[in-house]
Amino acid sequence: AQSVTQLDSQVPVFEEAPVELRCNYSSSVSVYLFWYVQYPNQGLQLLLKYLSGSTLVKGINGFEAEFNKSQTSFHLRKPSVHISDTAEYFCAVTAYNTDKLIFGTGTRLQVFP
Amino acid sequence: DSGVTQTPKHLITATGQRVTLRCSPRSGDLSVYWYQQSLDQGLQFLIQYYNGEERAKGNILERFSAQQFPDLHSELNLSSLELGDSALYFCASSVDSGETNEQYFGPGTRLTVT
Repeated sequence: AQSVTQLDSQVPVFEEAPVELRCNYSSSVSVYLFWYVQYPNQGLQLLLKYLSGSTLVKGINGFEAEFNKSQTSFHLRKPSVHISDTAEYFCAVTAYNTDKLIFGTGTRLQVFP
Repeated sequence: DSGVTQTPKHLITATGQRVTLRCSPRSGDLSVYWYQQSLDQGLQFLIQYYNGEERAKGNILERFSAQQFPDLHSELNLSSLELGDSALYFCASSVDSGETNEQYFGPGTRLTVT
């Protein structure tokens, strides 16, 4: 079985500062990793995904994430955040031969002016 | 806009009642997934249908059932509702079935059980 841990439930940050949202996973088989963003009163939108290849993955809105197999992590980063990045961010995993997404508990990113 | 539509947007009902949530996938998508988002359980996978057939099952209660119709829209039926069923229910769709297929999420149906 797979599981995902998002270590921070809330991350407050000032506008234009860098941010890192942490995600660790557990699995006995190979996994595929995703970050989704949920803006208030909206559904989830895919930010980026790691399937294979380069461990540094670039996504939409200037976000990137690095897959680290030895540390079983997939942390999300952005060098300079905007007010509009205020949202809930979910890390998710699927395993080989299974479609269902296993989500972490989410991290609320709050960007202050 | 993901292209996935869900109706209704909000639903308020009483304990013991039955409701049906509807999802229309993106045009051309064959897979439909249902997820429940609640404060205590977080986001949980409920069930997946692929081209009309059940493909995978998650933490779905026996009081809940789903189906996918020939036109590929899907319905999630929730019966004998309890207060704890209050949650946001998301539908997602993908082109095909497979762990690497991107899932596109609808805006959700917020269910409140009183």
